[in-house]
Amino acid sequence: KQEVTQIPAALSVPEGENLVLNCSFTDSAIYNLQWFRQDPGKGLTSLLLIQSSQREQTSGRLNASLDKSSGRSTLYIAASQPGDSATYLCAVWAAGNKLTFGGGTRVLVKP
Amino acid sequence: NAGVTQTPKFRILKIGQSMTLQCAQDMNHNYMYWYRQDPGMGLKLIYYSVGAGITDKGEVPNGYNVSRSTTEDFPLRLELAAPSQTSVYFCASSYAQPGTGGLKTQYFGPGTRLLVL
Repeated sequence: KQEVTQIPAALSVPEGENLVLNCSFTDSAIYNLQWFRQDPGKGLTSLLLIQSSQREQTSGRLNASLDKSSGRSTLYIAASQPGDSATYLCAVWAAGNKLTFGGGTRVLVKP
Repeated sequence: NAGVTQTPKFRILKIGQSMTLQCAQDMNHNYMYWYRQDPGMGLKLIYYSVGAGITDKGEVPNGYNVSRSTTEDFPLRLELAAPSQTSVYFCASSYAQPGTGGLKTQYFGPGTRLLVL
């Protein structure tokens, strides 16, 4: 059974510092991995999707890497801003048409 | 496009009551999903559908039922509500070319907050 873990559960950084969010998964036989952002009381917004054949994806200040062999993905957010404060979730897509989510990392960027 | 819409936004139910959570998407996606999110936790898959007329169980299906009579709509039915079903429910949709195994980005609705007392 696929299990996805995100550590730490919460993170607080001063504005301008780079953010590093970690995601690990137990079964490396995945199709893709997605990073989502969730604001309080809101739904999820997809940030990046990495196919299993890719090593990384970039969008603006966001960069996500994928190492299937070690079962890890990292989301980097450069030069963090208070508007980056949110919960970030990773999810892996594997056989069976099911997306398995991690518990999320709650990020606070202090001005 | 409106994307994925969900109604109602919030509902209070008494134990034993029933209700249907509505979900609709206008992106012509073949896949649709229902998740629940408990406080401080990630999302858990309740049911999903790969196309009209086809549904399958996810990780936590007990106490719920679904149907998919059209591509656009995927309602979730709660029978005999229990306090353990207090949660936020999210509907999502995505597109996958049949037989390829690789799915595109999932799009989420704003969620329905349900309180069972």
